[in-house]
Amino acid sequence: KQEVTQIPAALSVPEGENLVLNCSFTDSAIYNLQWFRQDPGKGLTSLLLIQSSQREQTSGRLNASLDKSSGRSTLYIAASQPGDSATYLCAVRVFGNEKLTFGTGTRLTIIP
Amino acid sequence: GAVVSQHPSRVICKSGTSVKIECRSLDFQATTMFWYRQFPKQSLMLMATSNEGSKATYEQGVEKDKFLINHASLTLSTLTVTSAHPEDSSFYICSASKEGTGTEAFFGQGTRLTVV
Repeated sequence: KQEVTQIPAALSVPEGENLVLNCSFTDSAIYNLQWFRQDPGKGLTSLLLIQSSQREQTSGRLNASLDKSSGRSTLYIAASQPGDSATYLCAVRVFGNEKLTFGTGTRLTIIP
Repeated sequence: GAVVSQHPSRVICKSGTSVKIECRSLDFQATTMFWYRQFPKQSLMLMATSNEGSKATYEQGVEKDKFLINHASLTLSTLTVTSAHPEDSSFYICSASKEGTGTEAFFGQGTRLTVV
């Protein structure tokens, strides 16, 4: 059974700093991995999708990496802004199954 | 990205009544949609997979007679919480994947259900 863990559960950093969020998964036979952002009381916004054959994806100040063999992914946020404050979730999909298994989430607070 | 719309965003109902939540893919067709439940400060828990034209597939522990799912068209899935009780109060979110995007999943805005 696939298990996805995100550490830390909560993180506070001053505005302007670069930061890294971590995601680990137990079954390396994944189809893809997706990072989401969730604001309080809202749905999920897709940030980045990494296919199993890819090593990283970039969108603006966000960069996500994937190391399947070690069961890890990181989300790098450059030059953090208060508007980046949210909960960040990673989720993996395995081959032959459309279901997503979600991580526990990291609640990020950017301090102005 | 693709757009998934969920309605209503908030609903309050009395115990014993039923509530219907709609999930629509606005600019693409989705043969499969997913329904999740999220408790405060917790991650998403998959409830069921909604399949267009066939019965939904429920996760272990989810009562199919309690949470009725209908996927009547390629753009609409509905979740009906029947005979709602206060313990059904939660945040419900749907998702759908658009073919051709590497199965990127897109989520609705969520529905906050409060049963009083």
